Amino acid sequence: QVQLVESGGGVVQPGRSLRLSCAASGFTFSSSTMHWVRQAPGKGLEWVAVISYDGSNKYYADSVKGRFTISRDNSQNTLFLQMNSLRGEDTAVYYCARGNTGIDCWGQGTLVTVSS
Amino acid sequence: EIVMTQSPATLSVSPGERATLSCRASQSVSSNLAWYQQKPGQAPRLLIYGASTRATDVPARFSGSGSGTEFTLTISSLQSEDFAVYYCQQHNRAFGGGTKVEIK
Repeated sequence: QVQLVESGGGVVQPGRSLRLSCAASGFTFSSSTMHWVRQAPGKGLEWVAVISYDGSNKYYADSVKGRFTISRDNSQNTLFLQMNSLRGEDTAVYYCARGNTGIDCWGQGTLVTVSS
Repeated sequence: EIVMTQSPATLSVSPGERATLSCRASQSVSSNLAWYQQKPGQAPRLLIYGASTRATDVPARFSGSGSGTEFTLTISSLQSEDFAVYYCQQHNRAFGGGTKVEIK
C-alpha cells in the first residue's frame, strides 16, 4: 500500500541544522510531486515546501526560504528536507506528503523540537 | 505569497444540521483549492480538490464550491464522525488557519 515514513526528527539547539528524510513506497515516487508540511503543537497546518517529480522546480514558504532546502533521490524513493539556522518557531511535527492537485497521501510525521 | 483566510474559527453545529465553512484567498487562485479534514492525533485527509471535486471515498454530504477568491465547503448533514478541524489550501501552497467544527 501507499506509505510515507519520515525520520530524522529530534531535539536540536537554535541555530543548528537537521536533515529530515521520507521513505516512499507503494506508488511511483519518481512521477509524484512531493511536499513538506508542518504543524506546531496545538496549531494549524503550515505548508513548508514542494518539489516537482523530477526535482527541477522547488518552492518554499516565506518563513523558511533561504534556510530550508527540499530535495529528492528518485533512485532511492526518498524525499529530504535540509533545515539550517533553526529557530524556536520551527518546532513542529513535520509531515512528508504527496500530491499535485491536493495532497492525497501523508506520512505519520516526525517531531522537531528546537530548544536550548 | 497568497494568504488563505478561513471563517469562522469555530462553528458549533448540532448533528444532522448543515455546516457551511468559508475560505478566502488574498488574490485569485482560480479553482486550485483543496479542503482537508483533520482529527486529533491524525494526519489530514483530503476531502475536495479543484474546488469542487470529491476525493476518493469521500461521502457525498461533503461538497465544495467557489472560484477565484471565495470558496465554500458544505457538509449537508453532520454526522458524529465529521466533528473535526477543516483546512483549505491553495494547491501546492499555503493553508488557511482552519475551522473547528464542534458539537453544539
